[in-house]
Parts: sequence; structure tokens; C-alpha cells
Amino acid sequence: GAGVSQSPSNKVTEKGKDVELRCDPISGHTALYWYRQSLGQGLEFLIYFQGNSAPDKSGLPSDRFSAERTGGSVSTLTIQRTQQEDSAVYLCASSPQTGDTQYFGPGTRLTVL
Amino acid sequence: AQSVTQPDIHITVSEGASLELRCNYSYGATPYLFWYVQSPGQGLQLLLKYFSGDTLVQGIKGFEAEFKRSQSSFNLRKPSVHWSDAAEYFCAVGAVGNKLVFGAGTILRVKS
Repeated sequence: GAGVSQSPSNKVTEKGKDVELRCDPISGHTALYWYRQSLGQGLEFLIYFQGNSAPDKSGLPSDRFSAERTGGSVSTLTIQRTQQEDSAVYLCASSPQTGDTQYFGPGTRLTVL
Repeated sequence: AQSVTQPDIHITVSEGASLELRCNYSYGATPYLFWYVQSPGQGLQLLLKYFSGDTLVQGIKGFEAEFKRSQSSFNLRKPSVHWSDAAEYFCAVGAVGNKLVFGAGTILRVKS
């Protein structure tokens, strides 16, 4: 079946602009995660959604970062007023429920000039 | 706080040789443990996982890992490496809410 998909695959933006990154999880998966992979910091957890519960935002690095998940499916990660240090690969993962294996998408490579 | 240590940043092995990638974790309860592999420009692919039960787990592509609670380790092994195994390997521990904490990764190079 279809895996986790992310769009765009690459995004180049100018410092100060807002960007939106999209994640389509595997159908039926109730848990959705965002991670960031950067050279300096490795793989870091950002935010986690489980069903209709309030999201765990404990990994978001600043208030410029936000995410939403509509209808328990598609998720959008928004970065406002992008900075050069936001340049990274943003990975989305989904799992059938909390505690299950996470399946990762191919990522979105964000470059902030 | 949960943490994962992969002490080897790079490892080079000859094709056909055996492989062991080290992983040590810090976690307050029985951990969920994972190994993922990432090829250049690709996402993370699950190799294997440990949740409970048999401490020797088998994964895809001929990989296996052994959970040793006394050593807080979850080392990845393969008896005979193929050139296509060259990639970056990440060990991860499942934390609260199952958000994953990853190690820094080990880059595997395979020489012919």
C-alpha cells in the first residue's frame, strides 16, 4: 500500500518568508510525528499528534514553528519568518497508534537563503 | 532523559565481512528499541525493532540485533555485508508517547 508522502520534496526560500510543509500519513494511522534532521543536531523530535488528543509540542524549537492535523489525517508544518538555521530535512512519520512502529516519509529538504 | 549513543561515526568493512554497529541507550523503563537505515536522499527505513520477548530480533536484509539489558545495549549485526548495505544507520529508543530519540548515526562504507 501507499506509504507516508511529503510535499514538496525540496523547498528553497528566502530568510523571513513563511513556509508550509505537508505530510500525508498512511491511511488508518492515528499517530503522526514530525522530526527534523540537520547536520548540527541530528534527528530531533518536533511534534506528535495522536487521534483527537492535544498534540505534544514539546520538541518545537521556537514559536515560529506550528503544526496542525486536519481531520485526523493530513498534517501541515508551518515555519514563520524562516531563518537560515531552519535549513534541514523535515521528516514525517505515522504509526497505527502510539507505541507502534513509525513509518517515515521521504522528507522535505528546506533551504533558507 | 532518554538518550542514545552510537559511538562510531564511520565504519568501513570489506564486502563479505561481518558487521557490528554499536548502540547504547539510557531509558528509565523497558525500552522500545529500533534500528533504521537511511540511504542518501532517502527517508528512514525500519530494519528491526524490539518491544519485548526474545532478546535476539531478526530484521530485514539479513540484519539482527540483540537487546542486552545489563549493558543497556542494542547492537546491530550482519554476518556478511553486501555493497548495497552502504548507508547511514540510526539506533532509536521509544520515549514517552513513543516519540523517538535517535542516536547520531553511523555511516557504513563497504569496500570491495
